[in-house]
Amino acid sequence: DAGVIQSPRHEVTEMGQEVTLRCKPISGHNSLFWYRQTMMRGLELLIYFNNNVPIDDSGMPEDRFSAKMPNASFSTLKIQPSEPRDSAVYFCASSPRETQYFGPGTRLLVL
Amino acid sequence: AQSVTQLDSHVSVSEGTPVLLRCNYSSSYSPSLFWYVQHPNKGLQLLLKYTSAATLVKGINGFEAEFKKSETSFHLTKPSAHMSDAAEYFCVVSDDGNDYKLSFGAGTTVTVRA
Repeated sequence: DAGVIQSPRHEVTEMGQEVTLRCKPISGHNSLFWYRQTMMRGLELLIYFNNNVPIDDSGMPEDRFSAKMPNASFSTLKIQPSEPRDSAVYFCASSPRETQYFGPGTRLLVL
Repeated sequence: AQSVTQLDSHVSVSEGTPVLLRCNYSSSYSPSLFWYVQHPNKGLQLLLKYTSAATLVKGINGFEAEFKKSETSFHLTKPSAHMSDAAEYFCVVSDDGNDYKLSFGAGTTVTVRA
């Protein structure tokens, strides 16, 4: 199994630009999570999908952030417009039940 | 609500000596507990998990953890540290009512001296 796949691994963009992060969960896992990791806040849950449906998006910082899961094998996290304070590592994780398996992350830098 | 406290922000050990990473939790119910490891510029890798079966849990790479309900602890140990164990370690507890919600400790950075 390839594990959770995320792309891109690194993204550098300018303030105001749209950023799209992508995730392919482990096959057969019905839950998908997006997290953000910063030095100041540690790991924060942004949104949780179950069977492709958003269940909990209370962690999404503001309307600039949106996430979709059009099918069981793909999810996106979009930031539009991006701001320097969005700079962080974004992780996707998937889970068959209670154990979450994390992807390698996308390191985002917004200049 | 559940929470996790990792008692040491940084642990330094010599190669070949034991490693002890301390974790205390609070939870209203019987929790699920996890230890994850994060190597530099990598994602989080599951080391082991406790889900109300045996209180001594064995994980990957020689790590193990013991669940002690009376002490609300879930300390991680390894008898002999290896240079490759240098990383950040997170103790994690699942939410009391929503098992998809994880509470992460602040992390313990382990350095291994040659």
